[in-house]
Amino acid sequence: KQEVTQIPAALSVPEGENLVLNCSFTDSAIYNLQWFRQDPGKGLTSLLLIQSSQREQTSGRLNASLDKSSGRSTLYIAASQPGDSATYLCAVDTGGFKTIFGAGTRLFVKA
Amino acid sequence: SAVISQKPSRDICQRGTSLTIQCQVDSQVTMMFWYRQQPGQSLTLIATANQGSEATYESGFVIDKFPISRPNLTFSTLTVSNMSPEDSSIYLCSVGSVGHTEAFFGQGTRLTVV
Repeated sequence: KQEVTQIPAALSVPEGENLVLNCSFTDSAIYNLQWFRQDPGKGLTSLLLIQSSQREQTSGRLNASLDKSSGRSTLYIAASQPGDSATYLCAVDTGGFKTIFGAGTRLFVKA
Repeated sequence: SAVISQKPSRDICQRGTSLTIQCQVDSQVTMMFWYRQQPGQSLTLIATANQGSEATYESGFVIDKFPISRPNLTFSTLTVSNMSPEDSSIYLCSVGSVGHTEAFFGQGTRLTVV
């Protein structure tokens, strides 16, 4: 059974700092891994999608890496801003059209 | 990409009543999914809604409690029946497709049962 774990559960950083969010999964047989952002009480916004054959994806200040063999992904946020404050969720597509989510990392960026 | 509209965005309901949540997609999609996010928790898949057939429910979720309709390739509804305070959650609609492409989510319905 696929399990997704995100570390840390919460993170508070000063504005301008570079930071890394971690995601691990127990079964390396995935189709893709996706990072989402969720603002309080809201739905999910897709940030980056990494297919199983890819090693990383970049969008603006965000860079996500995938090491499928070790069951790990990282989301790197450069030059963090208060507007980045949100919960970041990692999710893996395990096949059978099911997506398994981690519990998320709550990020707070202080101005 | 797909744009998903979910209604209502939030509601406060009396226990024992039912609420139907609507999900409209701007393009035809094969698969639609309904998730629940309980307070402080991550997302849990309730069921997969397939057009032209009954929904497939995950362990712990039953059709009598969460009936789902999928009348066409752009629309689905989820009903939360005979609600109790434990049903207070955010309910989210998601779409995906054959080929395991990117998943997109609606903005969610924030349900509070009193």
